[in-house]
Amino acid sequence: GQQVMQIPQYQHVQEGEDFTTYCNSSTTLSNIQWYKQRPGGHPVFLIQLVKSGEVKKQKRLTFQFGEAKKNSSLHITATQTTDVGTYFCAGRWVNAGGTSYGKLTFGQGTILTVHP
Amino acid sequence: TAGITQAPTSQILAAGRSMTLRCTQDMRHNAMYWYRQDLGLGLRLIHYSNNAGTTGKGEVPDGYSVSRANTDDFPLTLASAVPSQTSVYFCASSRGPGNTIYFGEGSWLTVV
Repeated sequence: GQQVMQIPQYQHVQEGEDFTTYCNSSTTLSNIQWYKQRPGGHPVFLIQLVKSGEVKKQKRLTFQFGEAKKNSSLHITATQTTDVGTYFCAGRWVNAGGTSYGKLTFGQGTILTVHP
Repeated sequence: TAGITQAPTSQILAAGRSMTLRCTQDMRHNAMYWYRQDLGLGLRLIHYSNNAGTTGKGEVPDGYSVSRANTDDFPLTLASAVPSQTSVYFCASSRGPGNTIYFGEGSWLTVV
């Protein structure tokens, strides 16, 4: 079946360093969403990207959707200990006719740890 | 607003026993989901329901069953638990298949 591949699986950074996680699909996505799960918590929606080349920012977080709508990234500038958690992307596919189909499929997630 | 309520929060279950994880949402969402989360494997979809009265199999449906008698409730049943079903189970809902997914707090299940 179709998959959303997310890398890296783990990332350990020093507080203040930047962090990036990437999602890739072999086929075109209609939209991609990003979620954050704090340790011991549940995933919480962060943002949705829909347009080709779209860039959205939330404070220190920058989200990008690729021009071909097959990849996306989440970049955190100057990480803080509050950024610790698992970041998931979730994508839905689009057929040749431009119609979205299927359910949102989650990537495996990137576990971020931040050393103070 | 309660959102999604899962019960129990945690459970230790003897292998071979049956168990139902309960899930209720108060957002009138059409779609509901059950995921399991295991370290290194991310969120894996067990079963889903696009509307009351319909259900579908996800990525890892074996050993689990669901029902969707009404909009609000989506229970997950383990007919005969096995240790490999030890996991954290998340119930979730969304307005439709591609909309934002809202997750419950999770149910931690240990099968011994």
